[in-house]
Amino acid sequence: SQELEQSPQSLIVQEGKNLTINCTSSKTLYGLYWYKQKYGEGLIFLMMLQKGGEEKSHEKITAKLDEKKQQSSLHITASQPSHAGIYLCGADTVADSWGKLQFGAGTQVVVTP
Amino acid sequence: EAGVAQSPRYKIIEKRQSVAFWCNPISGHATLYWYQQILGQGPKLLIQFQNNGVVDDSQLPKDRFSAERLKGVDSTLKIQPAKLEDSAVYLCASRKQGRENEQFFGPGTRLTVL
Repeated sequence: SQELEQSPQSLIVQEGKNLTINCTSSKTLYGLYWYKQKYGEGLIFLMMLQKGGEEKSHEKITAKLDEKKQQSSLHITASQPSHAGIYLCGADTVADSWGKLQFGAGTQVVVTP
Repeated sequence: EAGVAQSPRYKIIEKRQSVAFWCNPISGHATLYWYQQILGQGPKLLIQFQNNGVVDDSQLPKDRFSAERLKGVDSTLKIQPAKLEDSAVYLCASRKQGRENEQFFGPGTRLTVL
């Protein structure tokens, strides 16, 4: 089974609507990263969460970490075409790993007019 | 601040040929990572350096892949000989020492093996 499960795999949202992506780890989380990727390009850093209950926001994107559930969510408010892309969560799950990340398979977001 | 640089951006080779990728991390970042991302999947760590020493290469196919980071700055990843299943995007990432710091990625090199 996957160490890191992302859901949904893909979603289509109308411009102006909200969306939520979830990321669940089967292991203890020492850090949880969210990235955005355009097809064929590198990963753009969005947010890093390290403490249980931590919540961070940047522009219209909010990420939360539930340490007990080993879960994180990414919420986009009032989606825009610029929010389209693939969202990846990456987890630091090894105590002395020097920060290597395990990634989920990604969630493809399509924003329609 | 300049980001992580990678070259080339694209490479097409025939199977059994050799290929090399180059990465220049963000200045001052002690930790450097190489990831492989196959289409439709998340990135998978191949090798991790702390300065010029390897700290994790457990998922590197050592019969064909090699990597080095001379002088603790630039790094190269080589595949020799390439197989069809090596077609992927190869991503380099770096971070300052300390897991509380963010990990930043380069634009990647898209490899196609024919």
